[in-house]
Amino acid sequence: AQTVTQSQPEMSVQEAETVTLSCTYDTSENNYYLFWYKQPPSRQMILVIRQEAYKQQNATENRFSVNFQKAAKSFSLKISDSQLGDTAMYFCAFGPSGSRLTFGEGTQLTVNP
Amino acid sequence: GAVVSQHPSWVICKSGTSVKIECRSLDFQATTMFWYRQFPKQSLMLMATSNEGSKATYEQGVEKDKFLINHASLTLSTLTVTSAHPEDSSFYICSARGGQGTTYNEQFFGPGTRLTVL
Repeated sequence: AQTVTQSQPEMSVQEAETVTLSCTYDTSENNYYLFWYKQPPSRQMILVIRQEAYKQQNATENRFSVNFQKAAKSFSLKISDSQLGDTAMYFCAFGPSGSRLTFGEGTQLTVNP
Repeated sequence: GAVVSQHPSWVICKSGTSVKIECRSLDFQATTMFWYRQFPKQSLMLMATSNEGSKATYEQGVEKDKFLINHASLTLSTLTVTSAHPEDSSFYICSARGGQGTTYNEQFFGPGTRLTVL
């Protein structure tokens, strides 16, 4: 069975600072995708960033970047220059190609002014 | 692109009645749709996976006779909660996979439906 673990239920960061959210997963698959979704108070799930397992280069989307360590099955999210609008629940998700997604338990991030 | 809508966004019903929730992919064809349930401050729990034109695949522990799923077209899936009870009160989220999202196994999420059963 595939599992996704987010070991930080809650985190906080000061505005403009950098924060890293951790995620580990367990799988025997070789071809898969990893995602970070954010869920703000509106509860709309929003894709933050995506990583293909076959790509060694870490994905980057503006202030968001990942540290993907395939051998260690680790997929952390770094948010630079944190903004108040980044306050949300963040979910790490894993999905083999063409299959369902497995979500972690989530990390509630609060950005303080 | 890749917009998914859900209707209604909030519904209150009496115990024993049935409620239908619609999920539509507005600008792409969704070959697969997923239905999730989410309790406050918890993760998404997959209820079922539906492929257009075929029966839904339910996760273990989800009653298929209580949560009826229909995926009759490539842009519409419905979830009907039959004989709803207060314990069915929850936030229900649909997602859709199709188009270029298929390449990356990406799901596009609807805004969710809050169901309250009195």
